[in-house]
Amino acid sequence: QSVLTQPPSVSAAPGQKVTISCSGSSSNIGNNYVSWYKQLPGTAPKLLIYENNKRPSGTPDRFSGSKSGTSATLGITGLQTGDEADYYCGTWDSSLSAGVFGGGTKLTVL
Amino acid sequence: EVQLVESGGGLVQPGRSLRLSCTASGFTFGDYAMSWVRQAPGKGLEWVGFIRSKAYGGTTEYAASVKGRFTISRDDSKSIAYLQMNSLKTEDTAVYYCPRYGGHFDYWGQGSLVTVSS
Repeated sequence: QSVLTQPPSVSAAPGQKVTISCSGSSSNIGNNYVSWYKQLPGTAPKLLIYENNKRPSGTPDRFSGSKSGTSATLGITGLQTGDEADYYCGTWDSSLSAGVFGGGTKLTVL
Repeated sequence: EVQLVESGGGLVQPGRSLRLSCTASGFTFGDYAMSWVRQAPGKGLEWVGFIRSKAYGGTTEYAASVKGRFTISRDDSKSIAYLQMNSLKTEDTAVYYCPRYGGHFDYWGQGSLVTVSS
C-alpha cells in the first residue's frame, strides 16, 4: 500500500479536461514539494511537474500542478490520445526520511 | 544532453548479490544527488534510496524494505553510481532506474531488469 493515494484510473474524451488527485499527510505532501511523472508502457517515467506546479521544458502548458494542504492535483486539458499513460505523484516523507510515490493512475482517453 | 545508462541486471538466485551501475553523461555528475527507483512487474514506482553529492556529505538514505541489504555508492571520477544489492529476495525482482535527484527525479535511464529466482 502506497504512502500517497491516487485513484487507480481516470478517463475522459479527447479534448476534455481531467484531474488526478494525490493525497498524503503533513509529513509528506503537507511540508514538501510534489512532483508528477508520466510513464508510457514499456518506457521509463518522465518528469512532468516539479515543485508542485512548475513545468520543465518540454512539458506542454496543457499540464498543470497544484497543491493544497496535504493533497496535490495534476490537471490535463485538451486531452490527446498521446496522454494515455500511467501518472505518478511523488514527494519526500520527512517522518520516514524516504522518498514516496503514489500507486499510479492509469489515464484512458476514450 | 543528459544521459543515464543502467547496467548489471540479470537473473540471480535468492540470497545472492548483484551490483548495478549507472553511467552518467551530459552534466557535472559530482554536483548532483543520484537515486535508485524500482518497479516490480506490473506494479508502481518504489523509491529505493539516494546518495547526496560530496558537497552535501555524500551520505545515503534508504527505503525500509532494502535498508541493511542494499548500498548506494558513487565514483565521481567515472560519473558512475552503484547499487550493491545483497541477500536478494524474490520480491526484489524489478526494473531498476537511477534517476538524477534534485528534490525531484528529472532525468531517468532506461532501467535494468533484475530477476531474483531459483
